Amino acid sequence: GQSLEQPSEVTAVEGAIVQINCTYQTSGFYGLSWYQQHDGGAPTFLSYNGLDGLEETGRFSSFLSRSDSYGYLLLQELQMKDSASYFCAVINTGGFKTIFGAGTRLFVKA
Amino acid sequence: EPEVTQTPSHQVTQMGQEVILHCVPISNHLYFYWYRQILGQKVEFLVSFYNNEISEKSEIFDDQFSVERPDGSNFTLKIRSTKLEDSAMYFCASSEAAGSSYNSPLHFGNGTRLTVT
Repeated sequence: GQSLEQPSEVTAVEGAIVQINCTYQTSGFYGLSWYQQHDGGAPTFLSYNGLDGLEETGRFSSFLSRSDSYGYLLLQELQMKDSASYFCAVINTGGFKTIFGAGTRLFVKA
Repeated sequence: EPEVTQTPSHQVTQMGQEVILHCVPISNHLYFYWYRQILGQKVEFLVSFYNNEISEKSEIFDDQFSVERPDGSNFTLKIRSTKLEDSAMYFCASSEAAGSSYNSPLHFGNGTRLTVT
């Protein structure tokens, strides 16, 4: 089976840096993705890690350690609009199935 | 920017009735997916579809569910006999290639909120 663990909530202030961790257990692993979802909206893709290391996309970075079954999403220079839910998602071997974690709700305060 | 389109945005149905949810994936995408999200909970995988057949399905996707690509543009999810617990937001997604690589992320539609009464 597959399971993903991420914190349920994180609160941070505008301008700060926040890290959202994700650990996973899966029978077949292809890569780890991160998606953002605002209330009432659809998930939107943020970042992907297929190999160990850091991927940077603007204010967002994502990290993967396959040996530790661990990844994180790093959000820098937080803005109020970053208040949303963030989901880590494991893509299984073959790539036809992406399984989402329960999501981390990020609250950004002024 | 091309987008995935889902209709209707909200569907109310009575328990036991059949519903069909409609999706138009991005035109050059080859892989299609249905997910559902019960309010406030995680996004759950239902099924993936490629080359006119199901590639993978979850335990949720039982005999009550079916998918179809009736023509070159539409992708539908049918629930044969709805139950109260089927009430959820149903998201269609598509991707250019398999998986969710940097070059081929999942693109989600805005969802259909299904309410079963």
